[in-house]
Amino acid sequence: DAGVIQSPRHEVTEMGQEVTLRCKPISGHDYLFWYRQTMMRGLELLIYFNNNVPIDDSGMPEDRFSAKMPNASFSTLKIQPSEPRDSAVYFCASRQGLANTDTQYFGPGTRLTVL
Amino acid sequence: QKEVEQDPGPLSVPEGAIVSLNCTYSNSAFQYFMWYRQYSRKGPELLMYTYSSGNKEDGRFTAQVDKSSKYISLFIRDSQPSDSATYLCAMREAGTASKLTFGTGTRLQVTL
Repeated sequence: DAGVIQSPRHEVTEMGQEVTLRCKPISGHDYLFWYRQTMMRGLELLIYFNNNVPIDDSGMPEDRFSAKMPNASFSTLKIQPSEPRDSAVYFCASRQGLANTDTQYFGPGTRLTVL
Repeated sequence: QKEVEQDPGPLSVPEGAIVSLNCTYSNSAFQYFMWYRQYSRKGPELLMYTYSSGNKEDGRFTAQVDKSSKYISLFIRDSQPSDSATYLCAMREAGTASKLTFGTGTRLQVTL
């Protein structure tokens, strides 16, 4: 398996622009997570889905952030409009719900820079 | 105060040393404890997983949980340069299915 796939790997944009991050989870995994990582705040859970349904979005910082999972193999995280403080590495992770551990498999991340 | 506290380091040790990494937490409801390893420019990967208090050993790695002190540790024996990475502790409450709370990570450098 190719693992969790994220695109783009790097994104540089200007303040006010719309940013869309993409994720393909591992086939057969029914949980999908979006995280944000910064030096100051570490790794923060933004939202997670189970069977394509959003379960907990309490970590989404503002209404500028939205996430969708239209099917089991694709999810997007959108920021509109983007701001410099959104600069961070965004990770997608997936997990198989029936597994008896909390193993979450992380993608390589998208490094977002908002100028 | 953050729910999970972790010294960011960096921690620099010579090859072969025993490394001790630690986290403290404030939420007494945390029951499941994990250590993730993150290499530079990569996503975290699960290293150790423990439930409640006690020790767990896997090769050169030992995870320890002391719930009475709200303190968890990861020990690395015979450290290698390939162990150089950031180590993140993570934990969750029972019944929360998948919602993990992470520490900010400790950067470890093992020198030759």
